[in-house]
Amino acid sequence: GAVVSQHPSWVICKSGTSVKIECRSLDFQATTMFWYRQFPKQSLMLMATSNEGSKATYEQGVEKDKFLINHASLTLSTLTVTSAHPEDSSFYICSAGPSQNNEQFFGPGTRLTVL
Amino acid sequence: AQSVTQPDIHITVSEGASLELRCNYSYGATPYLFWYVQSPGQGLQLLLKYFSGDTLVQGIKGFEAEFKRSQSSFNLRKPSVHWSDAAEYFCAVGPPNFGNEKLTFGTGTRLTIIP
Repeated sequence: GAVVSQHPSWVICKSGTSVKIECRSLDFQATTMFWYRQFPKQSLMLMATSNEGSKATYEQGVEKDKFLINHASLTLSTLTVTSAHPEDSSFYICSAGPSQNNEQFFGPGTRLTVL
Repeated sequence: AQSVTQPDIHITVSEGASLELRCNYSYGATPYLFWYVQSPGQGLQLLLKYFSGDTLVQGIKGFEAEFKRSQSSFNLRKPSVHWSDAAEYFCAVGPPNFGNEKLTFGTGTRLTIIP
């Protein structure tokens, strides 16, 4: 299947700083990328949908000013957690699609720890 | 509204025994159904998917799932589990052209394998 990467795989930051997470589709062009958040032992919660060249669509309850999403190219979307706080600590997973077979693929996730 | 229910939060199975993980869905149209597996600290790997046709689908790692429209179910099975199958399993539902559409995930079932 297609490959989606995330960088970094884990990050530790101080409270009040901003952190950027990248999601890349390595072997296909992804017009759509999704950002999920996963708390320990819980399911994936969709945060937002980003389409290349347009503003992201955020799910209800997700602060768009806190979680900035940019999808500037067909292979890259970024999630920036601004002014991070300990409650933002979580596992962030992206998915990208559609591939040539009209599928979407998930990245390996990024573990964010805010001290 | 679409939803996915995984009734079993945690299942423990002896190595070599058979396995069945339950999934029930609610969807307004013909569902596209998926099973994903997530190892600790990792992203999601697609085990199998059902779009149409034969209601018994085969996936990777020896898994299979059966779609039963009358019961709104898509249960995952494996005849003989291996210790490496210990992981979190998520059932998901999505629309056609799911490559650029969001998926709805169940809450997951954690599988523990005992020797």
